[in-house]
Amino acid sequence: GESVGLHLPTLSVQEGDNSIINCAYSNSASDYFIWYKQESGKGPQFIIDIRSNMDKRQGQRVTVLLNKTVKHLSLQIAATQPGDSAVYFCAEASTSGTYKYIFGTGTRLKVLA
Amino acid sequence: DGGITQSPKYLFRKEGQNVTLSCEQNLNHDAMYWYRQDPGQGLRLIYYSQIVNDFQKGDIAEGYSVSREKKESFPLTVTSAQKNPTAFYLCASSIGEHYEQYFGPGTRLTVT
Repeated sequence: GESVGLHLPTLSVQEGDNSIINCAYSNSASDYFIWYKQESGKGPQFIIDIRSNMDKRQGQRVTVLLNKTVKHLSLQIAATQPGDSAVYFCAEASTSGTYKYIFGTGTRLKVLA
Repeated sequence: DGGITQSPKYLFRKEGQNVTLSCEQNLNHDAMYWYRQDPGQGLRLIYYSQIVNDFQKGDIAEGYSVSREKKESFPLTVTSAQKNPTAFYLCASSIGEHYEQYFGPGTRLTVT
């Protein structure tokens, strides 16, 4: 099986509850952020992105919040479902510099029935 | 049906052998990337290419090589010089720099 995700922080939520996954990013020059979802044994799946000229962006059942003051990013999942169980990680990039994405290690979300 | 394909899903090799991982995309993306994923670590960039016939080293390029002869293809060769090649390898593509990257399903390489 997929060994990625060993020793990751884990968030356990009841099915139907809202989930909040946090990410502290490292580079104050980063101005583009992405959330990915990765299921066991699969490649990461793009969820939502946000640029630094926004504080909040909403998608289908997901909301990303960006707090540039404290370099913090969060992903909110509404009405969490069993299919949301996965590892979630953020990525940051500075569009003014050379290409470089920095990926977080991730948080494992477990949805309890 | 557009996307990124990687093959094979699982690959086993003996130490000392070179091995090439395939990555193909039909998204018409200019940029392509190779990452390595190890337990408990964020993705680490091996190589990237922003345009055909051009590529740059990422953070951990030693022991790896790539080519970009066609827009849709970006194969990665893991050479015998790579000291710890066992890992999950992910290929990604994007329209261009600083746009969202879309990932393939990955290849798990085991070298014994």
